[in-house]
Amino acid sequence: KNQVEQSPQSLIILEGKNCTLQCNYTVSPFSNLRWYKQDTGRGPVSLTIMTFSENTKSNGRYTATLDADTKQSSLHITASQLSDSASYICVVSAFSGGYNKLIFGAGTRLAVHP
Amino acid sequence: DTEVTQTPKHLVMGMTNKKSLKCEQHMGHRAMYWYKQKAKKPPELMFVYSYEKLSINESVPSRFSPECPNSSLLNLHLHALQPEDSALYLCASSSRDSTDTQYFGPGTRLTVL
Repeated sequence: KNQVEQSPQSLIILEGKNCTLQCNYTVSPFSNLRWYKQDTGRGPVSLTIMTFSENTKSNGRYTATLDADTKQSSLHITASQLSDSASYICVVSAFSGGYNKLIFGAGTRLAVHP
Repeated sequence: DTEVTQTPKHLVMGMTNKKSLKCEQHMGHRAMYWYKQKAKKPPELMFVYSYEKLSINESVPSRFSPECPNSSLLNLHLHALQPEDSALYLCASSSRDSTDTQYFGPGTRLTVL
């Protein structure tokens, strides 16, 4: 069964600190992996996308890694800001039935406190 | 313009009402999607339109009826909904198909009384 699991479920950090969010997946056949940021009551916004051959991708203070052998990804946030408070969703694409289906993780809810 | 817009932002309706959600994008994208998201849960795919034709229906009840009048617009017609249908309804679009990054709208917060 295609699944995406994220940890931790929630996280509280102080402004300026770094943090790392984890994503493990059992998705086959793997197409790509995306990290999205979703503010409360808003639509998700894409942060990074990685294919099988890529093992790191950065977008400003966000750095995503991918280990296709162990089927793990992480999202590292550097020098956190209050505006980083949001849910971070790991999304893996699986090509099945002629369609590239997105498998969503449950997300990690990050709260950055001053 | 790299934005997906959705109207209304909030909608409250009774179980006997008929209403519609609207989604619009002007990025020239040819794939559009409807998702339903309950609180603290990930989005669940409902429908996919590819080149203005319905290509995926994830076994959604018939009280939800999608429509794609043209390549820029996507509607979701609602009729005889149940309270458990209350959720955030997200529209998304991507360039050609689901291999491309999906751009999400802000969503419509629907409450069914």
